[in-house]
Amino acid sequence: EIVLTQSPGTLSLSPGERATLSCRASQSVSSSYLAWYQQKPGQAPRLLIYDASSRATGIPDRFSGSGSGTDFSLTISRLEPEDFAVYHCQQYGSSPWTFGQGTKVEIK
Amino acid sequence: QVQLVQSGAEVKKPGASVKVSCKASGYTFTGYYIHWVRQAPGQGLEWMGRINPNNGGTNYAQKFQGRVTMTRDTSISTAFMELSRLRSDDTVLYYCARERRSSHLDAFDYWGQGTLVTVSS
Repeated sequence: EIVLTQSPGTLSLSPGERATLSCRASQSVSSSYLAWYQQKPGQAPRLLIYDASSRATGIPDRFSGSGSGTDFSLTISRLEPEDFAVYHCQQYGSSPWTFGQGTKVEIK
Repeated sequence: QVQLVQSGAEVKKPGASVKVSCKASGYTFTGYYIHWVRQAPGQGLEWMGRINPNNGGTNYAQKFQGRVTMTRDTSISTAFMELSRLRSDDTVLYYCARERRSSHLDAFDYWGQGTLVTVSS
């Protein structure tokens, strides 16, 4: 199975700053089938990005995804107060679907 | 609007089984795979398996093979996940989620609210 490693574990930033989150796969992700989810305390994950760089319905354009092969990233161009949360990457290029361990974006 | 509504919290004894339901609405239930994902408190997400509501076909994560059974009832647009031989480390939050497209492997665009299962003697 493909193991996803997210870094950093925690990112401490201020509103308005740029956030860059990394997701590295143990082997190449087929067809860049990689997604990013946002999860707030007590809530289910919400799909932000699919196919590595496509924004899901209703997701603001300050969220962008990039990457291919084994290295992927999620960028939040200017952090809004509601963006402080945990972010998970997921690969769905091959079964089993696997997730990274998550990156927490916290207010500095 | 698309909704997945899960059954309520459960408390079970070690060795027992639990069956969690996920009722879909707002779309054609048989047109999209339903997955089950679990999450321990403060931990990451763990994929358990999926079911094709159209024909009942399933794929399970190797870790849960032999212990998990996923079924569906198309008459009530509901998917079920049953986990047997429960252990204390099965005390986690269980989510159902819809796969975005059924034409190929895809991400999960809608999620249930989660069902907490507590295993305790």
